[in-house]
Amino acid sequence: SQKIEQNSEALNIQEGKTATLTCNYTNYSPAYLQWYRQDPGRGPVFLLLIRENEKEKRKERLKVTFDTTLKQSLFHITASQPADSATYLCVLHGSGNTGKLIFGQGTTLQVKP
Amino acid sequence: DARVTQTPRHKVTEMGQEVTMRCQPILGHNTVFWYRQTMMQGLELLAYFRNRAPLDDSGMPKDRFSAEMPDATLATLKIQPSEPRDSAVYFCASVWTGGSLVMEPQHFGDGTRLSIL
Repeated sequence: SQKIEQNSEALNIQEGKTATLTCNYTNYSPAYLQWYRQDPGRGPVFLLLIRENEKEKRKERLKVTFDTTLKQSLFHITASQPADSATYLCVLHGSGNTGKLIFGQGTTLQVKP
Repeated sequence: DARVTQTPRHKVTEMGQEVTMRCQPILGHNTVFWYRQTMMQGLELLAYFRNRAPLDDSGMPKDRFSAEMPDATLATLKIQPSEPRDSAVYFCASVWTGGSLVMEPQHFGDGTRLSIL
């Protein structure tokens, strides 16, 4: 069955460093991949979308890569800040017009001042 | 900023009671999703509607759950009878979709935290 794996352990880094979060998937060929941020007690908020024919996408301090051969996406936050502390969700779309999303369990990032 | 509004934010009730959760999608959005989030399973899609018509409810236990869109500004998710295993956070999300469902980011509400005793 389709499966998404994100680091279940929290990632703790020092302010100013680059945070790198990993998303691996199996038994799946997503046409698109999205990353969302979720704060405690809130709904997920969209950050970035990358297509299967794109290798990399950037937005301000955020960068996402998508390697369809390795079946992996990496999510980077450069010059991290305590305000970046949250849970980050990797989300896959299938090909075809289904609209269904498959969510990873998320990785919690803690940026320490 | 336009937001998806969910009510109630919290609900505690006893097993066997009916629970109704409501969602007001962003004005102009024609596709509405219902999700459930638990620590064990993460976010799971329960059902979704496009232009008020149900497209897929395969993620929803049919015997006790029902989802409807009485009009374009209201989506409801009902559980009857409720069970302790239904305790979770239920999220609604909306998006405008034209020719493709898959490209647009979804806008989530802040959820209904449901506890069934």
